[in-house]
Amino acid sequence: DTAVSQTPKYLVTQMGNDKSIKCEQNLGHDTMYWYKQDSKKFLKIMFSYNNKELIINETVPNRFSPKSPDKAHLNLHINSLELGDSAVYFCASSQDVGVGEREQFFGPGTRLTVL
Amino acid sequence: AQKVTQAQTEISVVEKEDVTLDCVYETRDTTYYLFWYKQPPSGELVFLIRRNSFDEQNEISGRYSWNFQKSTSSFNFTITASQVVDSAVYFCALSEARVSNTGKLIFGQGTTLQVKP
Repeated sequence: DTAVSQTPKYLVTQMGNDKSIKCEQNLGHDTMYWYKQDSKKFLKIMFSYNNKELIINETVPNRFSPKSPDKAHLNLHINSLELGDSAVYFCASSQDVGVGEREQFFGPGTRLTVL
Repeated sequence: AQKVTQAQTEISVVEKEDVTLDCVYETRDTTYYLFWYKQPPSGELVFLIRRNSFDEQNEISGRYSWNFQKSTSSFNFTITASQVVDSAVYFCALSEARVSNTGKLIFGQGTTLQVKP
């Protein structure tokens, strides 16, 4: 029944490793997003996909690569993890009725800790 | 420039007090949407309200009310008779329909509300 789900919920890894976070939504939405929440709780958009097409890429290092196999999934792969990547990553989705009009539904977040 | 400012970093009240969370936004767009989200200690982000730029009517939902004023670019949120369960971080957010045309949410810094029993 979960609308937007993310796995894993917690991810602890060493610097330099590569990791992936998965996101799935069962709401039938057309648009999915990745946000990063830093240690000061500030939330910032990273990527957005609409019907599997990238529409937002906000000055994110190219170590971060989103992949959308279908419109219900948006995964985030991170190469060569750095200490500064430690944060909570939220996936979200919205219905593409009008640009920006619909509320975004967020997943539970993935807390990434890079040691 | 697009920006959302929540000047109150932390607010602490005693249960049953009323509390207002301020939100001021900047945008060049004539069509935009404003949102409030709640992030309780458990960490998830919960949608509370959406308001579009053409609708300045205030809204009330139970103990929650929102005051949208375009003249001052503000979208303030009031909780009446606060309860301990209202303790959370509250985020105001902006989405631009034309200038940005991507639907991305621009968040304020968040206001941490602590309601003490």
